[in-house]
Amino acid sequence: DIQMTQSPSTLSASVGDRVTITCRASQSISTWLAWYQQKPGKAPKLLIYKASNLESGVPSRFSGSGSGTEFTLTISSLQPDDFATYYCQQYNNYSPLTFGGGTKVEIK
Amino acid sequence: QVQLVQSGVEVKKPGASVKVSCKASGYTFSNYGISWVRQAPGQGLEWMGWISAYNGNTIYAQNFQGRVAMTTDTSTNTAYMELRSLRSDDTAVFYCAGGGVAGLFGYWGQGTLVTVSS
Repeated sequence: DIQMTQSPSTLSASVGDRVTITCRASQSISTWLAWYQQKPGKAPKLLIYKASNLESGVPSRFSGSGSGTEFTLTISSLQPDDFATYYCQQYNNYSPLTFGGGTKVEIK
Repeated sequence: QVQLVQSGVEVKKPGASVKVSCKASGYTFSNYGISWVRQAPGQGLEWMGWISAYNGNTIYAQNFQGRVAMTTDTSTNTAYMELRSLRSDDTAVFYCAGGGVAGLFGYWGQGTLVTVSS
């Protein structure tokens, strides 16, 4: 199985801060990496696919980068609506598809 | 627009089975596969498996092999996930998810809470 490790697990930040979340894969996944945002009681929402491609309708303050085993999600200026939990997910292969453990972005 | 609408809350006893449905609309059902994802209370996301809505082929995660069955009904554009031999640690929200790219989840159902308790 490909293990996905996110850091930090919790992040405290203020509105307007630049926020970076890291995701590491246990083996190379090229750029087959997605990022999701999840709010309490809601289904996850796709933000970024293929490591750096912004899903339609997602604000441009979200960006993704990386390839191989190291990836980052950056929020350039944190907004009140962005306080949520973020997950990375590899879709390099189905054996199995795996998610990171999540990063909760809290209000500082 | 694409919608995945899941069946409602379930309460089951240990050892029982549960079958959750996911009705798709807004696209040609056979074009996309459907995955199922489990989320235990306060925990992360765990992929359970995938079914092709085109031919019914399945891939199950090892953790659920032998206990899960995924099916589709193309006449009603509905996918099903049955989980057997339920345990208390199966208490979770179960999501169906899919999209145009294999393994990428652009569309999600609203989730179905399954509580396993004696």
